[in-house]
Amino acid sequence: KAGVTQTPRYLIKTRGQQVTLSCSPISGHRSVSWYQQTPGQGLQFLFEYFSETQRNKGNFPGRFSGRQFSNSRSEMNVSTLELGDSALYLCASSARGGYTDTQYFGPGTRLTVL
Amino acid sequence: SQQGEEDPQALSIQEGENATMNCSYKTSINNLQWYRQNSGRGLVHLILIRSNEREKHSGRLRVTLDTSKKSSSLLITASRAADTASYFCATDGGEGAQKLVFGQGTRLTINP
Repeated sequence: KAGVTQTPRYLIKTRGQQVTLSCSPISGHRSVSWYQQTPGQGLQFLFEYFSETQRNKGNFPGRFSGRQFSNSRSEMNVSTLELGDSALYLCASSARGGYTDTQYFGPGTRLTVL
Repeated sequence: SQQGEEDPQALSIQEGENATMNCSYKTSINNLQWYRQNSGRGLVHLILIRSNEREKHSGRLRVTLDTSKKSSSLLITASRAADTASYFCATDGGEGAQKLVFGQGTRLTINP
């Protein structure tokens, strides 16, 4: 099976802009989770989608949003970008999601906000 | 907030030696997982140990779990240069949070 893919791999934006990141899970996986990784805060959970429904959400402002499509592909959007949003954004897919399943991670999207 | 805290933050050893990393957590868990991340790339799942298990092996990896001390350790035996990476423990978020909460990681460097 093909692994988790994320596009784009690298992105440079300026403050105030918005950005959309895409994640294609492993075929058959219905859960997609998103994480933000920064040197200061480490890996932080953003949200999880399962069968097109947001099932869980981390402690991020409303500027961070996401959605999942019927084919399980997921997008996350960040509006009104701030310098602190510069990070590696990782998505992970699993069959059932939550804490009981192994998460399979994509290579990440490196977002730089100038 | 971080559920898992890894110790040490960085570890440098010679190729062929064993590497041990520790993880402590705060709340009760259902399972604990270890992941590896090569520089700036995605995470790779290494091993999952359930709360009713005390020890688990996978190849050169050995994981222990002590729920009374709320701690886990990852041992990599006969280390190789390719083991150079960051290692993270991850637990469920507690209180049925249905998500993984990662520690800050241990940066392991294997010197040839």
